[in-house]
Amino acid sequence: QVQLQQSGAELVKPGSSVKISCKASGYTFTSYDMHWIKQQPGNGLEWIGWIYPGNGNTKYNQKFNGKATLTADKSSSTAYMQLSSLTSEDSAVYFCARGTRELDYWGQGVMVTVSS
Amino acid sequence: DVVLTQTPVSLSVTLGDQASISCRSSQSLEYSDGYTYLEWYLQKPGQSPQLLIYEVSNRFSGVPDRFIGSGSGTDFTLKISRVEPEDLGVYYCFQATHDPLTFGSGTKLEIK
Repeated sequence: QVQLQQSGAELVKPGSSVKISCKASGYTFTSYDMHWIKQQPGNGLEWIGWIYPGNGNTKYNQKFNGKATLTADKSSSTAYMQLSSLTSEDSAVYFCARGTRELDYWGQGVMVTVSS
Repeated sequence: DVVLTQTPVSLSVTLGDQASISCRSSQSLEYSDGYTYLEWYLQKPGQSPQLLIYEVSNRFSGVPDRFIGSGSGTDFTLKISRVEPEDLGVYYCFQATHDPLTFGSGTKLEIK
């Protein structure tokens, strides 16, 4: 069965960077896009971008250009998102989700808290 | 960016009754390939969102036929007939036709 296992919660300082992971299993990792979605506390969902692990192609929401960097490691079937120059506005839960158009399987989410 | 406006913001429904959620788009969601990439997701309390409906009206695997998606162009509706306790949560529409992909602001379904 398809599973997306995300890394654990992060507490990070303002101005620093964090890299969170999403390990895929149960399907061919290189055949589907991996999307990333942000959810701030009590708020709705915001699409960050996708990566196609088959060739490394990426597409970003312009709002996250320079903030988020998506990568993927085919050997371990793991997708990564690095967030840089963190501020309190980056405190949120971040989800990975498999999909081409529809997001059919989601990870459990990673809570990132930015605090000094 | 495409703005998806969901109404109502919240909905309180008696078990067994029908619920209806509207999603209106600021642009047509029909893609050049003829498909309309409008989806519906449910986020149950404390969980990740889950896919219910894709391409306006197709139910994802395992989704009960109580969930019915319809619409075209810029106007879309999700109907839930015979609401059950496990249906509570926040419903989001989502469009994958135009970049950037965008979500509606959500509709919270509560059980009376």
